[in-house]
Amino acid sequence: SQQGEEDPQALSIQEGENATMNCSYKTSINNLQWYRQNSGRGLVHLILIRSNEREKHSGRLRVTLDTSKKSSSLLITASRAADTASYFCATDFTGANSKLTFGKGITLSVRP
Amino acid sequence: EAQVTQNPRYLITVTGKKLTVTCSQNMNHEYMSWYRQDPGLGLRQIYYSMNVEVTDKGDVPEGYKVSRKEKRNFPLILESPSPNQTSLYFCASSFAQGGQPQHFGDGTRLSIL
Repeated sequence: SQQGEEDPQALSIQEGENATMNCSYKTSINNLQWYRQNSGRGLVHLILIRSNEREKHSGRLRVTLDTSKKSSSLLITASRAADTASYFCATDFTGANSKLTFGKGITLSVRP
Repeated sequence: EAQVTQNPRYLITVTGKKLTVTCSQNMNHEYMSWYRQDPGLGLRQIYYSMNVEVTDKGDVPEGYKVSRKEKRNFPLILESPSPNQTSLYFCASSFAQGGQPQHFGDGTRLSIL
């Protein structure tokens, strides 16, 4: 399967702590994206990182990409209760008919 | 406000009764797609469209039809719904197929009895 795989499947932390979520994939990619989904809502795009980039920041979010290990991580610093959501990585694979393929998601719970 | 609008948000219906889920975007996006989300399976793409009158199958197209007669609209049609199509459905759009953030609708929860 070309699907990215997130790790861990579920994460529970205290408000103020950092949350680190990982995504691994198997074939070469053009870019990798992270999305957030609040319960019962649509996915919201967080960050896109291209294959020639190693790190990107957006507010309290930091994404890294290691193409040699075929992995990415999403770090949320100083977490808040409002960060409670499911997080998905989505990989855009190279080659013909490339399309965005989503992982199964990580459930993050931030305890107040 | 830039948005993707799906209707209805919730629908309970019976096996075999044709239904259409509408999707409309106001961002002049060329690329639109439909996904279904099921527990333990993540999001799976049903159909996508790269532009008007250009559609193609995704990973799980069986039992679904789509059309793209206008750039802003991309309806999902279930000609003869079955219980295994009970799911949460999302429409998404972006400027192009690759390398672009996807904008998602709020979802349509379908229950087929």
